[in-house]
Amino acid sequence: QVQLQESGPGLVKPSETLSLTCTVSGGSVDNYYWTWIRQSPGKGLEWIGHVYYTGSLTYNPSLKSRATISLDTSNNQFSLRLRSLTAADTAVYYCARNPIYYGVDVWGQGTTVTVSS
Amino acid sequence: EIVLTQSPGTLSLSPGERATLSCRASQSVSSNFLAWYQQKAGQAPRLLIFGASRRATGTPDRFSGSGSGADFTLTISRLEAEDFAVYYCQQYGTSLLTFGGGTKVEIK
Repeated sequence: QVQLQESGPGLVKPSETLSLTCTVSGGSVDNYYWTWIRQSPGKGLEWIGHVYYTGSLTYNPSLKSRATISLDTSNNQFSLRLRSLTAADTAVYYCARNPIYYGVDVWGQGTTVTVSS
Repeated sequence: EIVLTQSPGTLSLSPGERATLSCRASQSVSSNFLAWYQQKAGQAPRLLIFGASRRATGTPDRFSGSGSGADFTLTISRLEAEDFAVYYCQQYGTSLLTFGGGTKVEIK
């Protein structure tokens, strides 16, 4: 059974860069989209972007090119970097698996990121 | 960008009652690529329905999805205690995936 685990800092200063990693265990990264989604406190879900196992990338334009997603197939990991942080980036960040033509079927437990000085 | 509007914002019902949740898209969702998720407090969302009407593995059959084009519905035939949660719809028919704002199903 595939499991996902996010790792990264819980507190980041404004204007700095957030780096999160998601480790995929119990399965291969092949044939899936690997996705980052966030949820601000008390709010709904926001899709950040995804990387296909081939390396193809798509981002939410609302992030104004601040996000970079990468895939490390040799270590079964994928990562998110989000630059120029503000308080509005405070959220629970989820990594997730998205089979093609399917919904998001496997989610990490989520990691809380607070942007504050 | 396809905007998804969920209604009502909150649904107050009793166990055993039927719940009907709506998700309306600002334009037609390609190939009915519409999913529904359940989220409980402090947990990640869980996929219930994909392709507008197909149950994901492990989804009880009291959950059903219907609709096409720009108008979709999630129905819970008889609410059980564990069904009180927030429900989100999501479209994945375009390269920019979007979620609805959610419907909270609470105990009356």
